[in-house]
Amino acid sequence: DAGVIQSPRHEVTEMGQEVTLRCKPISGHNSLFWYRQTMMRGLELLIYFNNNVPIDDSGMPEDRFSAKMPNASFSTLKIQPSEPRDSAVYFCASSLQGSSYEQYFGPGTRLTVT
Amino acid sequence: GENVEQHPSTLSVQEGDSAVIKCTYSDSASNYFPWYKQELGKRPQLIIDIRSNVGEKKDQRIAVTLNKTAKHFSLHITETQPEDSAVYFCAASGGTNAGKSTFGDGTTLTVKP
Repeated sequence: DAGVIQSPRHEVTEMGQEVTLRCKPISGHNSLFWYRQTMMRGLELLIYFNNNVPIDDSGMPEDRFSAKMPNASFSTLKIQPSEPRDSAVYFCASSLQGSSYEQYFGPGTRLTVT
Repeated sequence: GENVEQHPSTLSVQEGDSAVIKCTYSDSASNYFPWYKQELGKRPQLIIDIRSNVGEKKDQRIAVTLNKTAKHFSLHITETQPEDSAVYFCAASGGTNAGKSTFGDGTTLTVKP
């Protein structure tokens, strides 16, 4: 398997623009997680899905953030409108079932909002 | 919800020495405790994990111990090598919010040759 795939790897955008991050989990994994990593706040869980259903989105910063998982092989994280404080590395991870199993992280998307 | 504290935030050791990183958690129902290693510019990757029915687990130079009564667990790296230099994260999950992992803030380990 190719592992968790994320795109784009780097994104530079201007404040106010819409940003869409994409993730393809490992085939057969039932759980998908979106994390944000910054120096100041460390690794934060934004939202996770089980069997394509959002289970906990309490980590989503505000209404500007939204995530979807239309099927078992694809998820998106959207920021609209983007702000400079959204600059971070966004990781997608998947696991066999929930968080009580190893999470396999994607390579991350480095987002810079100017 | 779960709260995980990790210490120290930075650790510098001489090559060949041992390194110990400690984490405490708050939710007594948590039952899965993984450790991830993140090299600079890379993704976190699991290096070892332990479940609540086990007190210790070892994999070559790496070991993890768990004390459920005290709600703390530790990562032990023996005979450290420069390639062990990275950020290490502990996490706790399977507790009250069963699907969610809570990560510690990370420990930056530097192994000096």
